[in-house]
Amino acid sequence: GAVVSQHPSWVICKSGTSVKIECRSLDFQATTMFWYRQFPKQSLMLMATSNEGSKATYEQGVEKDKFLINHASLTLSTLTVTSAHPEDSSFYICSASDSGKDSYNEQFFGPGTRLTVL
Amino acid sequence: GQNIDQPTEMTATEGAIVQINCTYQTSGFNGLFWYQQHAGEAPTFLSYNVLDGLEEKGRFSSFLSRSKGYSYLLLKELQMKDSASYLCAGLDSNYQLIWGAGTKLIIKP
Repeated sequence: GAVVSQHPSWVICKSGTSVKIECRSLDFQATTMFWYRQFPKQSLMLMATSNEGSKATYEQGVEKDKFLINHASLTLSTLTVTSAHPEDSSFYICSASDSGKDSYNEQFFGPGTRLTVL
Repeated sequence: GQNIDQPTEMTATEGAIVQINCTYQTSGFNGLFWYQQHAGEAPTFLSYNVLDGLEEKGRFSSFLSRSKGYSYLLLKELQMKDSASYLCAGLDSNYQLIWGAGTKLIIKP
């Protein structure tokens, strides 16, 4: 299967700082990347969907100025949590797919990034 | 609205069989996924059903009834490593995955 990596795996930061998480598709071109957040004992919550070269589509309730997403190439998307606060502490997971707008291809998940904001 | 329901937690014995149920309501339907997620890790794909019936893949099988909005994941010959959360997800008419909260499966020796 296709491989998706995330970096870093763990990050601990002080409140008010910004954190960047990278998501890379290693062996395929990801036209679409998804960013999820998962709180303990809860399901995956889709934050945003990004297509290469265009602006991300954010889900309702997700602040686009706080969670900056860049999908500059077919193999890289970044999520920047700006001015992080303790309530942003969560498990952030990206997934990548070569789906188009009118079709679905399997999403391949990255290993996740555990963010702890002190 | 769209909704995926599955039990929060189940317990089973090593070597036994367990069935995890999932009911779904989605805007349109393009299939039903099951994923396995170990604690602190990303989900891994188990199965995809879009037609009614049972799909068997080794120790794991998945069943779908579109008329009932119902699916189940059947795990046979349970092993300790099967202890994980199992996520049910429906694919709606916009090809968006709607995730359930997951069923935590605890395997006891």
